[in-house]
Amino acid sequence: EAQVTQNPRYLITVTGKKLTVTCSQNMNHEYMSWYRQDPGLGLRQIYYSMNVEVTDKGDVPEGYKVSRKEKRNFPLILESPSPNQTSLYFCASSSGTASYEQYFGPGTRLTVT
Amino acid sequence: GENVEQHPSTLSVQEGDSAVIKCTYSDSASNYFPWYKQELGKRPQLIIDIRSNVGEKKDQRIAVTLNKTAKHFSLHITETQPEDSAVYFCAASRWDSNYQLIWGAGTKLIIKP
Repeated sequence: EAQVTQNPRYLITVTGKKLTVTCSQNMNHEYMSWYRQDPGLGLRQIYYSMNVEVTDKGDVPEGYKVSRKEKRNFPLILESPSPNQTSLYFCASSSGTASYEQYFGPGTRLTVT
Repeated sequence: GENVEQHPSTLSVQEGDSAVIKCTYSDSASNYFPWYKQELGKRPQLIIDIRSNVGEKKDQRIAVTLNKTAKHFSLHITETQPEDSAVYFCAASRWDSNYQLIWGAGTKLIIKP
């Protein structure tokens, strides 16, 4: 089954404790992206990647890091989480060529206390 | 840069009536306009999209219209049903980076029984 997976789905952590949210897709998509979703603000892009070892900042990259060492995986790293990073995070992927449809993961609800 | 404005932020309609959500974009180089639906607690999913060489596209009860001159596009849902209740997001992307979407802030559609 074609899908995008994220782990964990829910996470409660404390300020400053490094964490990683994993994202994996099995559709051989070149394009992957991370969004955060906050009430009233819609979907804001954090980082995106056009292919292996190619990443770029989105609209709200501060406080986040990403890497793309393999085509299927695109982890989101919060080196020192702060309460303002409490949000719902979505990973998405797209073939970027044949179709521009973005396939979203199930989301990760992060709470930083 | 590109900006996408979406209105209204909340729309309440009687079951069976039609609903219209409107978006405007600023970048004249935009040529791809998707609409995503996000049900409560779920991930966003593509429901319909349109490219700038087409003025209207229909898929059963949903349709999208595009006015390139005015730089706006709209989602039309006819004969609304309870399962249409969701948040709807419009987006736009340029011809040279169609994978990179600029998102509207979303419209919460409420279907009243």
